Amino acid sequence: DGGITQSPKYLFRKEGQNVTLSCEQNLNHDAMYWYRQDPGQGLRLIYYSQIVNDFQKGDIAEGYSVSREKKESFPLTVTSAQKNPTAFYLCASRKQQEDIQYFGAGTRLSVL
Amino acid sequence: AQSVSQHNHHVILSEAASLELGCNYSYGGTVNLFWYVQYPGQHLQLLLKYFSGDPLVKGIKGFEAEFIKSKFSFNLRKPSVQWSDTAEYFCAVKILSYNTDKLIFGTGTRLQVFP
Repeated sequence: DGGITQSPKYLFRKEGQNVTLSCEQNLNHDAMYWYRQDPGQGLRLIYYSQIVNDFQKGDIAEGYSVSREKKESFPLTVTSAQKNPTAFYLCASRKQQEDIQYFGAGTRLSVL
Repeated sequence: AQSVSQHNHHVILSEAASLELGCNYSYGGTVNLFWYVQYPGQHLQLLLKYFSGDPLVKGIKGFEAEFIKSKFSFNLRKPSVQWSDTAEYFCAVKILSYNTDKLIFGTGTRLQVFP
């Protein structure tokens, strides 16, 4: 079954803790993206990667880090430097030469 | 900074009513335009897109959108809504001349349709 898998569905972070959100795709897509969705603010781009071992900051990268060691995987780490991490995080991917992003089901992160 | 505006934050309609959701963007160059929909509990999915050609585009589930370049608008329409159209709708723009691979999203419009 092809698609974008985000895990976990729900995640809780303690004060000062780093947490990592997983995003895996088996669509053979080249580009991958991380967005943050807050009520009334739409989606805002955190990081994106167009090829393996390369990624760029989006509009709100502070307090986040990513890696792209494999084409299929683009994990997002929410560090302790992100002071307001409570949000819904969406991962997306895009096939080269096709300008359509496909989204995963999301991870809802809350702070304990 | 470039932006996308969705002026209707929350729309409430009865079934069979007509729908029009506004989307305006603040860039004068070449753009690709998208409407995405997020049904309750489901992932964000593409409703329709405009890249070039006929400015009236048709999408899934009877939705359509019209690109009016002079007004920088890409409004979404449906002649007769159904209860199952209850969802959040996002307009998004990609600016093609920028050396960046990113979509700019509007803040979303929450649509509630009552039977």
